[in-house]
Amino acid sequence: KQEVTQIPAALSVPEGENLVLNCSFTDSAIYNLQWFRQDPGKGLTSLLLIQSSQREQTSGRLNASLDKSSGRSTLYIAASQPGDSATYLCAVGGNTDKLIFGTGTRLQVFP
Amino acid sequence: GAVVSQHPSWVICKSGTSVKIECRSLDFQATTMFWYRQFPKQSLMLMATSNEGSKATYEQGVEKDKFLINHASLTLSTLTVTSAHPEDSSFYICSAGTGNQPQHFGDGTRLSIL
Repeated sequence: KQEVTQIPAALSVPEGENLVLNCSFTDSAIYNLQWFRQDPGKGLTSLLLIQSSQREQTSGRLNASLDKSSGRSTLYIAASQPGDSATYLCAVGGNTDKLIFGTGTRLQVFP
Repeated sequence: GAVVSQHPSWVICKSGTSVKIECRSLDFQATTMFWYRQFPKQSLMLMATSNEGSKATYEQGVEKDKFLINHASLTLSTLTVTSAHPEDSSFYICSAGTGNQPQHFGDGTRLSIL
């Protein structure tokens, strides 16, 4: 059974810092991995999707890497801003389109 | 981009009533939609896979008679929480997507049972 874990569970940093959020999964037989952002009481916003054949994806200040063999992904946030404060979720997808979500990292960036 | 609309966004009702939540894909056809449940400060838990034209596939431990799913068309799936009780209070989110495209999520429905 696939299990997805995210470390740290919570993170509080001053504005401007570069951040690394970690995601690990137990079964390396995945089709893709997706990073999401969730604001309090809201749905999910897709940030980056990495296919199993890819090593990384970039969008603006965000960079996500994938090491399928070791069961790890990282989300790198450059020059963090207060507006980045949210919960970040990683999710792995198999061949059925189902997503298994990680435990989440609650990020707070203070001015 | 693709949009998934979920309605209602918030509902409060008395214990024992049934509540229906709608999930619509606004600009694409979705043969498969997913329903998730999220408790406060926890991650999303997949409840079931909604399949257009056939029965939903429920995850282990999810009561199919309690959470009725109907995928009436390629753009609409509904989740009905039957005879809801306070322990059913939660945040319910749907998603839709196909193949190697990102899953698109609705904004969620906050259900509060008194």
